[in-house]
Amino acid sequence: EAGVAQSPRYKIIEKRQSVAFWCNPISGHATLYWYQQILGQGPKLLIQFQNNGVVDDSQLPKDRFSAERLKGVDSTLKIQPAKLEDSAVYLCASSLDSNNEQFFGPGTRLTVL
Amino acid sequence: QKEVEQNSGPLSVPEGAIASLNCTYSDRGSQSFFWYRQYSGKSPELIMSIYSNGDKEDGRFTAQLNKASQYVSLLIRDSQPSDSATYLCAVRRRTGNQFYFGTGTSLTVIP
Repeated sequence: EAGVAQSPRYKIIEKRQSVAFWCNPISGHATLYWYQQILGQGPKLLIQFQNNGVVDDSQLPKDRFSAERLKGVDSTLKIQPAKLEDSAVYLCASSLDSNNEQFFGPGTRLTVL
Repeated sequence: QKEVEQNSGPLSVPEGAIASLNCTYSDRGSQSFFWYRQYSGKSPELIMSIYSNGDKEDGRFTAQLNKASQYVSLLIRDSQPSDSATYLCAVRRRTGNQFYFGTGTSLTVIP
């Protein structure tokens, strides 16, 4: 069974630029999560999808972050414009449904200069 | 008050000893509790989940839950150098199914 795929693995941009991350969950997983993990901290949930609907985006900075999962499978997370404090690892996870174990992808390490 | 609190450590134990990791949570209505292990530069991986008061054992790992005290712990018996990692406590709230991680406890097992 293939795991959660994410791309790119690394990204370096300058502040005020835009960036997008892509995630393909495990086949058949209805729930998809995006987390932000700043160095030395635990992952912070940004947004949770159930199929193509948003379940929770209470911690998503909506003035600059957006995410979509249009067909209920893969998902993109966008930051526009980026700030220095957005430097972090962005983790995507998926689960069969919201009550099941989450499986994490390898993450995208973003550096904002 | 943070949703999930952990002692950030670092915690050092000698090889073969018991490592004890602790976690408290703020929402009394939380229903599901998880321990994840995260090696440096890697993604979190699930070690244990626990839903009821008491102990749950899986190999060298034992998770303990006390909902009255809002306390979760993880014991690692016969610690090995390969157990050296950051251990993340996570909690799912009953309301809204929101999921929160603690900041993690760094564990080093000394050979």
